[in-house]
Amino acid sequence: QLVESGEFVVQPGGSLRLSCAASGFTFDDYTMHWVRQAPGKGLEWVGLISWDGTTPYYADSVKGRFTLSRDNSKNSLYLQMNSLRTEDTALYYCARGDSFSIDHWGQGTLVTVSS
Amino acid sequence: DVVMTQSPLSLPVTLGQPASISCRSSQSLVRFDGNTYLNWFQQRPGQSPRRLIYRVSNRDSGVPDRFSGSGSGTDFTLQISRVEAEDVGVYYCMQGTYWPLTFGGGTKVEIK
Repeated sequence: QLVESGEFVVQPGGSLRLSCAASGFTFDDYTMHWVRQAPGKGLEWVGLISWDGTTPYYADSVKGRFTLSRDNSKNSLYLQMNSLRTEDTALYYCARGDSFSIDHWGQGTLVTVSS
Repeated sequence: DVVMTQSPLSLPVTLGQPASISCRSSQSLVRFDGNTYLNWFQQRPGQSPRRLIYRVSNRDSGVPDRFSGSGSGTDFTLQISRVEAEDVGVYYCMQGTYWPLTFGGGTKVEIK
């Protein structure tokens, strides 16, 4: 099970950290992903982080602004989001998988960037 | 980045009839390890996505056998042999051969 934290409203230029709590599986066996979905739109992959946290990789749209991290001792995944823009408004999904795919998704957490 | 193009955008289907969704990639999805990392996801209304198919044609556990995936190189297809009411939703292909991973724009399946 993957459970993302809350629902957020933040101003443009602001920062936010999303959390995802994993349970029911061996967390450090898996690469973890974030995927987002703007209201009424399709899926956009945000980034992934390797099982040991040493290899994060980002979509160009968030590179330099977002940072993925994980704490395997807490079975938790994080997404630090800085310099937020209105176009970052979306439902953010935490997801489990490997370097090539996603096999399980959380329920999503809504982030609204608005003044 | 690899561009994934799905068609059609919308697919009205009669219950019990077959449905087919196409997905094309801007470059071959065959990785140097010989595998092709093409996935299909279903997103029912109001729900999170769910993976149906991985590596072109492998069905996930619990996925009905009316769903099948095929294709190679740059052209891939998801087929539903007999559409049921629970199949309504948006279907996405996603390539995992290259980083960044990229999704198709989605195909909305609805009942006529």
